[in-house]
Amino acid sequence: DIQMTQSPSSLSASVGDRVTITCQASHDISNSLNWYQQKPGKAPKLLIYDASNLETGVPSRFSGSGSGTDFTLTISSLQPEDIATYYCQQFDNVPPRGITFGQGTRLDIK
Amino acid sequence: EVQLVQSGAEVKKPGESLTISCKGSGYSFTTYWIAWVRQMPGKGLEWMGITYPDDSETIYSPSLQGQVTISVDKSINTAYLHWSSLKASDTAMYYCARSHLDIVVPSAHFDSWGQGTLVTVSS
Repeated sequence: DIQMTQSPSSLSASVGDRVTITCQASHDISNSLNWYQQKPGKAPKLLIYDASNLETGVPSRFSGSGSGTDFTLTISSLQPEDIATYYCQQFDNVPPRGITFGQGTRLDIK
Repeated sequence: EVQLVQSGAEVKKPGESLTISCKGSGYSFTTYWIAWVRQMPGKGLEWMGITYPDDSETIYSPSLQGQVTISVDKSINTAYLHWSSLKASDTAMYYCARSHLDIVVPSAHFDSWGQGTLVTVSS
């Protein structure tokens, strides 16, 4: 099984700050890494797929980078509506195939 | 518009059986995988399994295999999650999600989600 280590587990930042969340895979997963945003009481929302592709309709202040084992989600200028929990997610196509989410990063406004 | 509409909240007793549903619309139901994701109270997201409606191929999370059954009826664009004997620890929000899954690339992401079904198991 591939393990995902997401950090930090929580983060406080000010409006306008640049925010970075990281996700590390225990094995090489190429670019099979996605990022989601979940607001309280709501379903998750896809932000970034395949490491660096911005989902349609997602603001351009969100970006993703990385490949292999180390990945990053960046918010270039934090907005109040970005307060949420963020999750990374990977797909392992080596049998037994599986999907794993990171533990989540709770982002608050300072 | 792509939509996944899940069945309503359920309150059950331990040992009871339960099936919840997820109906897709606005896209070709048989050409995307459908996954189930669990979120226990105050906790993170946990992938349970994924099914391909066209041929019913299903992949389960190793940690949950045998505890739930995922099925699909492509004639009515609906996927199901079934428990034969619920436990208190099954209390959670359950989401279905549409997935682009490519085993060869590999790639799998969830671009559309249901609204969630809250399952409460209590004596």
